[in-house]
Amino acid sequence: LAKTTQPISMDSYEGQEVNITCSHNNIATNDYITWYQQFPSQGPRFIIQGYKTKVTNEVASLFIPADRKSSTLSLPRVSLSDTAVYYCLVGASGTYKYIFGTGTRLKVLA
Amino acid sequence: SAVISQKPSRDICQRGTSLTIQCQVDSQVTMMFWYRQQPGQSLTLIATANQGSEATYESGFVIDKFPISRPNLTFSTLTVSNMSPEDSSIYLCSVVTGESYEQYFGPGTRLTVT
Repeated sequence: LAKTTQPISMDSYEGQEVNITCSHNNIATNDYITWYQQFPSQGPRFIIQGYKTKVTNEVASLFIPADRKSSTLSLPRVSLSDTAVYYCLVGASGTYKYIFGTGTRLKVLA
Repeated sequence: SAVISQKPSRDICQRGTSLTIQCQVDSQVTMMFWYRQQPGQSLTLIATANQGSEATYESGFVIDKFPISRPNLTFSTLTVSNMSPEDSSIYLCSVVTGESYEQYFGPGTRLTVT
């Protein structure tokens, strides 16, 4: 399973767009890229998943360049309630297993 | 999607004892997983709970310490055996439904060993 590297922490202000980049140099051909959000005392919650190019849903966008060695989660106009840990995961094809990295602690300030 | 419940939500246990954690899903699922999350840390995969066969454990985790049952497609248990304070963690189960690689997580069981 591919290892991921992402910033340990980030600060942002309410209303700003936040971009969190994840590096996954050893991604395999069949691997998907998935992002999860976790609040304290809760299980992780699925945000978005993609294979290549761009994926958008009601809460986020995921940008994946052609070489797929990195990805960027984009959160538009964050609010205080977006303060959480965000995990970038790579893999799952075939085994459905994910290996969690360190995650990025996003703190949104008023 | 899937709705997952875990019991107990939290417990405080004496060292040397065992605790069994239950994971119940509201629909039949193929894949179930158990994770551990130590305070302030990321999630670590313990094992894949296979229906009708032995669980598949990740490196560093053994069946004698973390026996897992998966009697049907909606239920699994994880037992933390002969507990020590180092086992104090949040234990989470997750499931995969359908063809998507999306995993749904339970709320977790917060275990404190004294």
